[in-house]
Amino acid sequence: DSGVTQTPKHLITATGQRVTLRCSPRSGDLSVYWYQQSLDQGLQFLIQYYNGEERAKGNILERFSAQQFPDLHSELNLSSLELGDSALYFCASSVYADSSGANVLTFGAGSRLTVL
Amino acid sequence: EDQVTQSPEALRLQEGESSSLNCSYTVSGLRGLFWYRQDPGKGPEFLFTLYSAGEEKEKERLKATLTKKESFLHITAPKPEDSATYLCAVLGAGGTSYGKLTFGQGTILTVHP
Repeated sequence: DSGVTQTPKHLITATGQRVTLRCSPRSGDLSVYWYQQSLDQGLQFLIQYYNGEERAKGNILERFSAQQFPDLHSELNLSSLELGDSALYFCASSVYADSSGANVLTFGAGSRLTVL
Repeated sequence: EDQVTQSPEALRLQEGESSSLNCSYTVSGLRGLFWYRQDPGKGPEFLFTLYSAGEEKEKERLKATLTKKESFLHITAPKPEDSATYLCAVLGAGGTSYGKLTFGQGTILTVHP
C-alpha cells in the first residue's frame, strides 16, 4: 500500500457520460498530480495541485477538470466521455510544490475507466 | 519538448542472466531522471533519481547510471520477482517542462525461473 488512495478502482460507463475520480494523498503530502496511462500514449501528465491551488498543467483536455479540496483530497472530473478516454488514471502525491529531483512522486493504484 | 525513448520494448531473461535497459532522453535542463517499477494492476513505484552525468545508484540487483544523453538500468542476476515494467522519466527545467515528469513507454521485463 503506497498510502495514496484512489476510488473507484474500476468504472464502466457510456459515451457522453460524466464521471468523477477521487484521490486521497499520502499523509503529509500537499501536492497531488493526475496522470493518464493508455497503451499507445504511455503515462501522460494531466495536472498538478498544491495545497488547493493549481500548480502546473499538462495535456489535459477541456472536457476534463480537477480540483483539490481543503482536506487535500482531489477529484478529477471527466465529461462528455469518448471511447478514446478509456485508460488508467493515476493520482500521485508528493511533499513539495516545486519540481525538483528531490520531489519524488508516490502513485496510487489507479482507476481503470472503460467507455463503451 | 522533452522526449524519452526506452528500449527494448520487452525483454525476456532467464533467472541469473544479467542485462541492461536503456533510456534515451532529450530535455531542456535536466533537473532529474527517475526510474520507476510498475507491476500489473498497480501504480509506478519509485526506484531511483539521478541528477547529473556520471552518477550511479544501486538497490539490490539494480544499478542505474546516467550520461548526458541516456540512462541505463543494469539488472544483475535477476530473479522472477524482478519481472515488471520499468519506466524512465525526466524532469526538465524550462518553459513547458516545468512541473511535469515526461515518461517513456517502458520496458516490460520477464524473468523466467
